[in-house]
Amino acid sequence: NAGVTQTPKFQVLKTGQSMTLQCAQDMNHEYMSWYRQDPGMGLRLIHYSVGAGITDQGEVPNGYNVSRSTTEDFPLRLLSAAPSQTSVYFCASSHRVGQGLNQPQHFGDGTRLSIL
Amino acid sequence: AQSVTQLGSHVSVSEGALVLLRCNYSSSVPPYLFWYVQYPNQGLQLLLKYTTGATLVKGINGFEAEFKKSETSFHLTKPSAHMSDAAEYFCAVSVGGKLIFGQGTELSVKP
Repeated sequence: NAGVTQTPKFQVLKTGQSMTLQCAQDMNHEYMSWYRQDPGMGLRLIHYSVGAGITDQGEVPNGYNVSRSTTEDFPLRLLSAAPSQTSVYFCASSHRVGQGLNQPQHFGDGTRLSIL
Repeated sequence: AQSVTQLGSHVSVSEGALVLLRCNYSSSVPPYLFWYVQYPNQGLQLLLKYTTGATLVKGINGFEAEFKKSETSFHLTKPSAHMSDAAEYFCAVSVGGKLIFGQGTELSVKP
């Protein structure tokens, strides 16, 4: 049971380049989300999804795009990379019971992204 | 809008001393509350959670937290710190289907 798998683990981009961070889970979780972690700011929610075909914005969605075509996969796309997007990105997933989010999140190991 | 405030970005304790990490939340409805721990170069792991029921919640590794609605707090405690507790700790609140994290508190444990 692999849990939540993020690829790549490290990436360096030039300003203006685009790329996709991959996230896959094998636990049949309905809820998936992307966070960025920056020093002193905790984790900030970028986008989330409550099921295949449904996505919504979090706290800091600008410059990022997501889609959820399957239950297992939730890729995060950087449309035109900027130095301000240098960060560690975490994907997380969980079951979703009712309307609330009361189940523990399972986190991937993160993608460390540097934008030059 | 809901938010989470962790008081103190860095806490240092001696081995064997009490650990107290503070978390206050703001929410217009009863929240679900979580504490997560992050070891260096790893993702986050769940320590404990409060959803409903008993307000004193016990978690892994000897940690516990008490939900105090009147104080809008969910402080994390451990009676006796161990060197292996050194990590970053995050409080999080879930309201309306989203999980919002506090800024994090780095815990150092001195021998």
